[in-house]
Amino acid sequence: QKEVEQDPGPLSVPEGAIVSLNCTYSNSAFQYFMWYRQYSRKGPELLMYTYSSGNKEDGRFTAQVDKSSKYISLFIRDSQPSDSATYLCAIDDYKLSFGAGTTVTVRA
Amino acid sequence: EAGVAQSPRYKIIEKRQSVAFWCNPISGHATLYWYQQILGQGPKLLIQFQNNGVVDDSQLPKDRFSAERLKGVDSTLKIQPAKLEDSAVYLCASSQVAGGRGAKSYNEQFFGPGTRLTVL
Repeated sequence: QKEVEQDPGPLSVPEGAIVSLNCTYSNSAFQYFMWYRQYSRKGPELLMYTYSSGNKEDGRFTAQVDKSSKYISLFIRDSQPSDSATYLCAIDDYKLSFGAGTTVTVRA
Repeated sequence: EAGVAQSPRYKIIEKRQSVAFWCNPISGHATLYWYQQILGQGPKLLIQFQNNGVVDDSQLPKDRFSAERLKGVDSTLKIQPAKLEDSAVYLCASSQVAGGRGAKSYNEQFFGPGTRLTVL
């Protein structure tokens, strides 16, 4: 069983829509949950991290962790064409384990 | 602050040939990582260095892959001989330390642009 599973997408939305991305993880002991953004032909960059459970908000981005269902989510409000990228969820258990990534396209 | 540098950016080789990738981490970062990202998948950790020493190489195919980090700064990753399934992007990342995490801070890994390897 993989440590983290991610809906593969791809996802195409119109500008201004809410983007919802989801992952599940296997081990209830995990405490650090990350979302990375990867533009085409670039390395991943950390978008947000959450420690333990709950919500974290940063501008138009909200990360949620539901430890009871082992579910992590990223929401992008008022999506922009510049948000078009691959979004990778990850857990950090002293090493990063990534999901497969969801490619998001925001249409102008 | 300069980011993680990698070269070459692209490489095309025939199977059974050898290839080497170079990484220069962010200045002062003690921990260096090599990842393999196959098309359509997330990055997979191959090897982690803390200064000169190897911390984790459990997913490195040691019969054909090798890596070194001399003097605790630059690193090279080598594949010899290459197979078709080695076609991937090889990402280097660095962080200030390994672990050292807390609820209010996180030891972020910074990624380079990657080397795209095609094995024919």
